[in-house]
Amino acid sequence: KQEVTQIPAALSVPEGENLVLNCSFTDSAIYNLQWFRQDPGKGLTSLLLIQSSQREQTSGRLNASLDKSSGRSTLYIAASQPGDSATYLCAGGSYNTDKLIFGTGTRLQVFP
Amino acid sequence: DTGVSQDPRHKITKRGQNVTFRCDPISEHNRLYWYRQTLGQGPEFLTYFQNEAQLEKSRLLSDRFSAERPKGSFSTLEIQRTEQGDSAMYLCASSPRVAKDNEQYFGPGTRLTVT
Repeated sequence: KQEVTQIPAALSVPEGENLVLNCSFTDSAIYNLQWFRQDPGKGLTSLLLIQSSQREQTSGRLNASLDKSSGRSTLYIAASQPGDSATYLCAGGSYNTDKLIFGTGTRLQVFP
Repeated sequence: DTGVSQDPRHKITKRGQNVTFRCDPISEHNRLYWYRQTLGQGPEFLTYFQNEAQLEKSRLLSDRFSAERPKGSFSTLEIQRTEQGDSAMYLCASSPRVAKDNEQYFGPGTRLTVT
């Protein structure tokens, strides 16, 4: 069974801290990795896509890396802000299928 | 580019009723996906279309579920004889390219509550 695991499941930090969210996957056929943000009761907002030929992507205060050999991806959030509070989901795209395989998410709370 | 839209945003129905959801993808996107998300979980794949062809269906998509994309533009997802276990957020996504490394763009979702 294809599995994507996210650690930690929940995280609460004071404003200004640098954060690392982890995503690991068991399916060696995963070839790219997409990170999403989800606010409560809302849809998903794409943050970063690390394509199959890439190892990392950056957007503003966000940096994501992908190591397919170890089956891991990390999302780094610099100088966290209360507006970053949300659930962060990683999803892998597989060579074998066109669907995304999602983790269960990390629920982040940044307090002032 | 107005983004992926879904209608309705919320649906409350009684067990046994049929419901239909609509998804309008981003214009010119030829791939359209349906996912289901239950509380506290990540989305799970249901099915996807390339233009009007339904290319893959999950085992989650029981015979009570049917999806269509008749003209390769908008799509509908119908659930017949709804059950309480169908209560979830139904998410639609679209993608612009046929090649791999496609980025999927999600709509706001339709939240279904079956009472």
